[in-house]
Amino acid sequence: DTEVTQTPKHLVMGMTNKKSLKCEQHMGHRAMYWYKQKAKKPPELMFVYSYEKLSINESVPSRFSPECPNSSLLNLHLHALQPEDSALYLCASSQVMGTTTDTQYFGPGTRLTVL
Amino acid sequence: RKEVEQDPGPFNVPEGATVAFNCTYSNSASQSFFWYRQDCRKEPKLLMSVYSSGNEDGRFTAQLNRASQYISLLIRDSKLSDSATYLCVVNDYKLSFGAGTTVTVRA
Repeated sequence: DTEVTQTPKHLVMGMTNKKSLKCEQHMGHRAMYWYKQKAKKPPELMFVYSYEKLSINESVPSRFSPECPNSSLLNLHLHALQPEDSALYLCASSQVMGTTTDTQYFGPGTRLTVL
Repeated sequence: RKEVEQDPGPFNVPEGATVAFNCTYSNSASQSFFWYRQDCRKEPKLLMSVYSSGNEDGRFTAQLNRASQYISLLIRDSKLSDSATYLCVVNDYKLSFGAGTTVTVRA
């Protein structure tokens, strides 16, 4: 089973709201990722967690705050977002970060609209 | 120069045709490559991994040319369900994505 789940599927929020995106995997993977994807563009890496510790932050604005409560869960907390943050947010997981043979599996994404 | 470059297409082909497209990468030390397919408004799904000279999975064949630093994907006997965007991905410890090649298979 290579399933990564994400909730919610869709989210509409105002610029003053606080919301969270959730991601879960039960494949025993120790690396989890957040990507942002705009229409007709490839995914852009935002954060990487390896063994529940933040390993990579691709200079993402602080209005995005990741959290990894345990090895199966990954959250992305959103606060004071801008309309240009509207995008598809993808979670991915892989066995171990940093090996060239490692394969990432993506969740279905959360389509976020910021009004 | 972009790390990964793809012909954006679109490639518009009839059912049953063969379609092939390439992806070039800039890092000569890259060892690990993937093809993902992405349907409209869906997540990328792994199509195949390419670690050595190539890989074949049914109607899909990927070839790696290290000397010229490109990977190709060939789809034989195209089906309507093959219509998608194909993302070339290079794994240099972080994934580098190409912009995608759009393929449309028509009846």
